[in-house]
Amino acid sequence: DIQMTQSPSTLSASVGDRVTITCRASQSISSWLAWYQQKPGKAPKVLIYKASSLESGVPSRFSGSGSGTEFTLTISSLQPDDFATYYCQQYNSYSRAFGQGTTVEIK
Amino acid sequence: EVQLVESGGGLVQPGGSLRLSCAASGFTLSTYAMGWVRQAPGKGLEWVSSIDNSGVITYYADSVRGRFTISRDNSKNTLYLEMNSLRAEDTAIYYCAKISTVTAQFDYWGQGTLVTVSP
Repeated sequence: DIQMTQSPSTLSASVGDRVTITCRASQSISSWLAWYQQKPGKAPKVLIYKASSLESGVPSRFSGSGSGTEFTLTISSLQPDDFATYYCQQYNSYSRAFGQGTTVEIK
Repeated sequence: EVQLVESGGGLVQPGGSLRLSCAASGFTLSTYAMGWVRQAPGKGLEWVSSIDNSGVITYYADSVRGRFTISRDNSKNTLYLEMNSLRAEDTAIYYCAKISTVTAQFDYWGQGTLVTVSP
């Protein structure tokens, strides 16, 4: 099965900071990668699909890049509403594995 | 408006069974593949199972294969997850999610239903 590894596990940042989260796949997944945001007590929400496509309604400060085995999620200017946990997920193979998550905390 | 509403969670003893339901509205269920994702208390997301739009093709995580069964009734706009031989480690919030047809990400999620496996 394909394994997904995110880094860092926790990130402390301030409003206005540029934030980058990395996700690595154990084998090539082409561009079949999504990024989700989850806030406490809520269901996840998709931000990015196909590695770099912005889901409808998601602010343009979110962007994704990468292909193959290395991917990044970038928040260009962190806003108060962005403090949350972020997960990558591969869907190249049937197993649809998630990364372990990255929590973005207030510095 | 797309809505997914899970039900059927609760407290069950180890070795017991439970059936979760996910009622879909705002879209034609028979057009879309669907999935279940769970989240243990304080932990990350774990994909559990997926099913194609017709219900013919199913996939399972190794952790639940042979114990859980995903199914759907498109005429009732409902997705199911039958869970047998439940273990303490199955304790989690279970989310159902819709899979986008072309780009295949989970694009809509329900609010989740809590399953607690405890004596």
